[in-house]
This record gives sequence, C-alpha cells and structure tokens, in this order.
Amino acid sequence: AQSVSQHNHHVILSEAASLELGCNYSYGGTVNLFWYVQYPGQHLQLLLKYFSGDPLVKGIKGFEAEFIKSKFSFNLRKPSVQWSDTAEYFCAVNFKAAGNKLTFGGGTRVLVKP
Amino acid sequence: EPEVTQTPSHQVTQMGQEVILRCVPISNHLYFYWYRQILGQKVEFLVSFYNNEISEKSEIFDDQFSVERPDGSNFTLKIRSTKLEDSAMYFCASSLWTGGTEAFFGQGTRLTVV
Repeated sequence: AQSVSQHNHHVILSEAASLELGCNYSYGGTVNLFWYVQYPGQHLQLLLKYFSGDPLVKGIKGFEAEFIKSKFSFNLRKPSVQWSDTAEYFCAVNFKAAGNKLTFGGGTRVLVKP
Repeated sequence: EPEVTQTPSHQVTQMGQEVILRCVPISNHLYFYWYRQILGQKVEFLVSFYNNEISEKSEIFDDQFSVERPDGSNFTLKIRSTKLEDSAMYFCASSLWTGGTEAFFGQGTRLTVV
C-alpha cells in the first residue's frame, strides 16, 4: 500500500532560523504532492502543491518545497521562520493510480520560539 | 474566500448511538471527501463522493458509515452505531476536480464516543 512518511514529529526552533521538514513517499507511479498547514484551532490550509514542471515549488508565506523524484521526496523549507509559523505541517500525496484520495504523512508539529 | 464549514465542532455521544456529522462544501465544487484523524495518528481517508454516489472508500468505511448529499448543499457522514474507536476528528473536504487539484478542508468535528 502507498504510504507517506514525515521524519520529524516535533521541531522546536527560534525565530529567524531556517526550517526544513522531510517528506518521503512510497513508490506509486505518478503523484501529485501537497503540503498543508494547520494553525492552532484552524482548518487545514494548503501551503503549496506540485503536479508537474519545475520541481522547486513556491507557496504562500515564504514556504517552498522541492520534489526529488529519484528520492521520492518532497521536502518543505522556509529560510527564516516567524513565531506565527507555529503550527502542524502535513505532507499529503495523491497517488494517481489509486484514485483521487490523499494519503497523509503523520504531521510535524513546529514550535517557533519568539 | 469560500470555505468548507462543518457542524458541530464537537460532538459527544454514547456508544451505540447514531451520529450525523454535517458539512457544507464550497458551492461550485464537485468532489467531496471525509477524512478522520484519531488522536496521535495520521489523517486517514474515509470516502469520496461525486455525482451523488460514492466514488471511492477505504477499508475503514464499513457498513456502519454512510454519506449523503441530501439537498445539494450539505454533505453528511452518518455513523449508525458508534463505537469507542470511532472517537476522532472528522474532516470534510471538497475539490473542484479530482486529485489533481487541491482539496479544501473544513475545521473538523471532534467526535467523542463515551
């Protein structure tokens, strides 16, 4: 079965530090890739998505992600975090051969200290 | 900005009781989904719905579960006889097309079965 892994469950860092969250998925043919963020008390919001084309994708709030097909990875990055980036981040994959559902990673809770 | 709304935000029910979780998807979307997240676990796909019928469902979505779009705006998830293990956060989502476009998520309904 297809699966998605996020390596870090919790990340704590200070403002202005750089952030990188790992996401790997199992082989499953053609994929669409997503990063969602959930701020405390709010709904899942899309940060960015990759369908095809340039493997470096820019999203909202200064986030970007790089699709490395050979590594089955889609890591999320932000050069300089702010306190307001405190949230839970979810990597999600649509394995197109398996239909239109999303398969989620376990999420990474990020705490940015002011 | 259009959003997916879910009601109630929190529901407590006794084991064996029926519950209905309600969702209002974004009005021009065509695909509707339910996901759930048991505390400490991954967000899991339950079911997708298109053109007034289930298009895909997971192993979790057994005979105890049903979905309906009763009036062209609401999208409901019914659990006929709740079990303790049904306690989870239930997320509704909608998308304009299939997995190649982003899904917009509601804030979730926290279901607690006692």
